[in-house]
Amino acid sequence: EAGVAQSPRYKIIEKRQSVAFWCNPISGHATLYWYQQILGQGPKLLIQFQNNGVVDDSQLPKDRFSAERLKGVDSTLKIQPAKLEDSAVYLCASSSLAGNVNEQFFGPGTRLTVL
Amino acid sequence: KQEVTQIPAALSVPEGENLVLNCSFTDSAIYNLQWFRQDPGKGLTSLLLIQSSQREQTSGRLNASLDKSSGRSTLYIAASQPGDSATYLCAVTGTASKLTFGTGTRLQVTL
Repeated sequence: EAGVAQSPRYKIIEKRQSVAFWCNPISGHATLYWYQQILGQGPKLLIQFQNNGVVDDSQLPKDRFSAERLKGVDSTLKIQPAKLEDSAVYLCASSSLAGNVNEQFFGPGTRLTVL
Repeated sequence: KQEVTQIPAALSVPEGENLVLNCSFTDSAIYNLQWFRQDPGKGLTSLLLIQSSQREQTSGRLNASLDKSSGRSTLYIAASQPGDSATYLCAVTGTASKLTFGTGTRLQVTL
């Protein structure tokens, strides 16, 4: 079974530029998550999708971050414009159940550096 | 608001030692607890998942325990190896399947 795929693996941009990340979850997984992990910290949930609907985006900085999952499979996370403090690893995860016993599986992440 | 704390933040042990990593959480109303491993520059690998009704889970040299009432979990690694060097993250699942992570324990196993 293929795991969660993410691209690109690394991205370097200047502040005020735009960037987009892509995630392909494990086949059949209805729930998809985007996390931000700043160096030295644990991952923080940005947004959770159930199929193509948003379940939780309470910690997503909506003035600059957006995410979509149009067909309930792949997802993209966009930052526009980027700030220095957005430098982090962006992790995508998926799980097969929306319930409380789900196990989340993570992709390799995209390391973003904002100069 | 759920808060997850991991102690110690960093640990260095010689090869062959048994070790214990600690995780505590403030809200005992959890559905499960997961231990993850993260290698530098990589994503997270799930090691063990303990349901709230369970007390422990074992996988190879790893054993994780859960005491939900006291808000604590431990990850025991037996006969540590240099390949075990990584950051270990604890995470709890609360309402709406939201995962809250600790800040991790960075483990180095030396030859």
